[in-house]
Amino acid sequence: DAGVTQSPTHLIKTRGQQVTLRCSPKSGHDTVSWYQQALGQGPQFIFQYYEEEERQRGNFPDRFSGHQFPNYSSELNVNALLLGDSALYLCASSSGTIQPQHFGDGTRLSIL
Amino acid sequence: GEDVEQSLFLSVREGDSSVINCTYTDSSSTYLYWYKQEPGAGLQLLTYIFSNMDMKQDQRLTVLLNKKDKHLSLRIADTQTGDSAIYFCAETSPWMDSSYKLIFGSGTRLLVRP
Repeated sequence: DAGVTQSPTHLIKTRGQQVTLRCSPKSGHDTVSWYQQALGQGPQFIFQYYEEEERQRGNFPDRFSGHQFPNYSSELNVNALLLGDSALYLCASSSGTIQPQHFGDGTRLSIL
Repeated sequence: GEDVEQSLFLSVREGDSSVINCTYTDSSSTYLYWYKQEPGAGLQLLTYIFSNMDMKQDQRLTVLLNKKDKHLSLRIADTQTGDSAIYFCAETSPWMDSSYKLIFGSGTRLLVRP
């Protein structure tokens, strides 16, 4: 039973570029949430997708956008990258919006 | 407002019990979680408790909830070196204000000494 999988595991970009991160939820899960974890801090909620729609959004600028596909997988897109976007990006999935969220191992994004 | 606070660091000897503490401010919190993060990895869900419960036990883990003081604790019995990691407390209140997001503390780094 595969858990939450994310790709790529590491990514290096330069300021101003755009990036797309991918997430496949755990089998049987239909809800995907994205979090940003800066070094030494707890994860911060970016947004949640359910039934292919953004259900809730955290305090992140419009440069952060996402999508959920009919097979429940999801993408996180970040435009006009800033140095401050360097972080571990975590995807979490759940069965419905109120069930416990299970996390993947994350994508480590470094901005030069 | 929403805030979750944890102590930064805890050091224990192998075989002792560890108690990691957390306080939260959102009185409408419905679910409270403990996650474990090992170096270079994502978050592993350890256990969670619903706000109408006072205690939950799962093998070596015991969660205690004091709703009056908004205090949550995680006790790890017979702590092993493999328990060394960062432990995050998190809360959510999906029914009270339709908030599905997890609010995390900054994490407690647990070091288990041989």
